[in-house]
Amino acid sequence: QITLKESGPTLVKPTQTLTLTCTFSGFSLTTSRVGVGWIRQPPGKALEWLALIYWDDDERYSPSLKSRLTITKDTSKNQVVLTMTNMDPVDTATYFCARRPPTGTLYFDYWGQGTLVTVSS
Amino acid sequence: NFMLTQPHSVSESPGKTVTISCTRNSGGIGNSYVQWYQQRPGSSPTIVIYEDNQRPSGVPDRFSGSIDRSSNSASLTISGLRTEDEADYYCQSYDSTNRWVFGGGTKLTVL
Repeated sequence: QITLKESGPTLVKPTQTLTLTCTFSGFSLTTSRVGVGWIRQPPGKALEWLALIYWDDDERYSPSLKSRLTITKDTSKNQVVLTMTNMDPVDTATYFCARRPPTGTLYFDYWGQGTLVTVSS
Repeated sequence: NFMLTQPHSVSESPGKTVTISCTRNSGGIGNSYVQWYQQRPGSSPTIVIYEDNQRPSGVPDRFSGSIDRSSNSASLTISGLRTEDEADYYCQSYDSTNRWVFGGGTKLTVL
């Protein structure tokens, strides 16, 4: 059974750095072609892709947020960590992590439940 | 990078068929596969179509996907609408450097 779960602070202050952890089970991030990505969704708004890291350490970032994002993985802990610097109230959103499967094209087949992050002083 | 544009909302009656479009603003729609996700209120998205027209196991065959190169768009068609299909639907694709793009989402109302 494949599961992913996001964890991190629910409230951060403007200008602070956000660190979110995705802990997964049921698959390995050492398997060829597998990736874990982050997506966010402001309240009542659309999904926005943020970043993704692949089994081979290849990293991809949203062009509009690239300067603020870092994605890393710890395969021994089955975790992927996303850091986002210089947080602003417009970054208030539910943050999801999701798996890119080992076969097929670039899509997410399993998603976490999401974690709501509020940016406010 | 390109954008994917979807209608803000669509509505249809139970038992009918509805089609949701997703238009790519630059580059050909066939340059990269299009996926579709369903997101019910308060839930995480789930994949309903991948690689333009492939259904994951467990997704009913009432859901189908296609692309139209002449209009540079992809479409999700849901036939035999049920109230449980009421949700937000998002298209997704990726560019030549494997950066992912989501459409703005379409709210489907089944009334």
